[in-house]
Amino acid sequence: QSALTQPASVSGSPGQSITISCTGTSSDVGSYNYVSWYQQYPGKAPKLMIYDVSKRPSGVSIRFSASKSGNTASLTISGLQAEDEADYYCGSYTAISTLVFGGGTKLTVL
Amino acid sequence: QVQLQESGPGLVKPSETLSLTCTVSGGSISNTNVYWGWIRQPPGKGLEWIGTVHFTGSNYFNPSLKSRLTISRDTSKNQFSLKLASVTAADTAVYYCARLLLWFGGTDHWGQGALVTVSS
Repeated sequence: QSALTQPASVSGSPGQSITISCTGTSSDVGSYNYVSWYQQYPGKAPKLMIYDVSKRPSGVSIRFSASKSGNTASLTISGLQAEDEADYYCGSYTAISTLVFGGGTKLTVL
Repeated sequence: QVQLQESGPGLVKPSETLSLTCTVSGGSISNTNVYWGWIRQPPGKGLEWIGTVHFTGSNYFNPSLKSRLTISRDTSKNQFSLKLASVTAADTAVYYCARLLLWFGGTDHWGQGALVTVSS
């Protein structure tokens, strides 16, 4: 199975909004509403930020939102803060009952 | 609060079998509404899903690892385990055990991770 496609890096200034894209195929992102997003700090386990395309787990800031259109999912972080600087990964259920992740995006807060 | 903890050798020789166990506390692996699985991350690289097991015993494996992979669960100990055979240096990674929501819609609880190095 091929990894989902994410930009290697994105950046933004404090207070701005950024969007990270996650492109898959009609066999994963495009066919199922089971897309998730994770935040990972160096040396730490990933943290679930979004599940089922756009749902936020309890405790996750409302500054994090997500959506999907066709084969591409997107994570938007509004009101960017220094603490948001981390790696972000998307994941999706696939047609062969597997889970595939994106390659990860490094977010830099300028 | 559900907590997961990986345990097992941190060093495995090439061609041997990597074995890890995940102990779950604060929740039961008999919960039919979730899955339990393994995800790894080679040093400096991204996440790779390894495989997942359900309470019923149903298994779901990464096709690229399937031929070498065994995932089992022990409900009496509230544990699940990973065995990866015939390892090479490419299997060196931090291995995470995790709880997955239905349809793998999200992985909501993670262990702290266990670094396993494959080297002679």
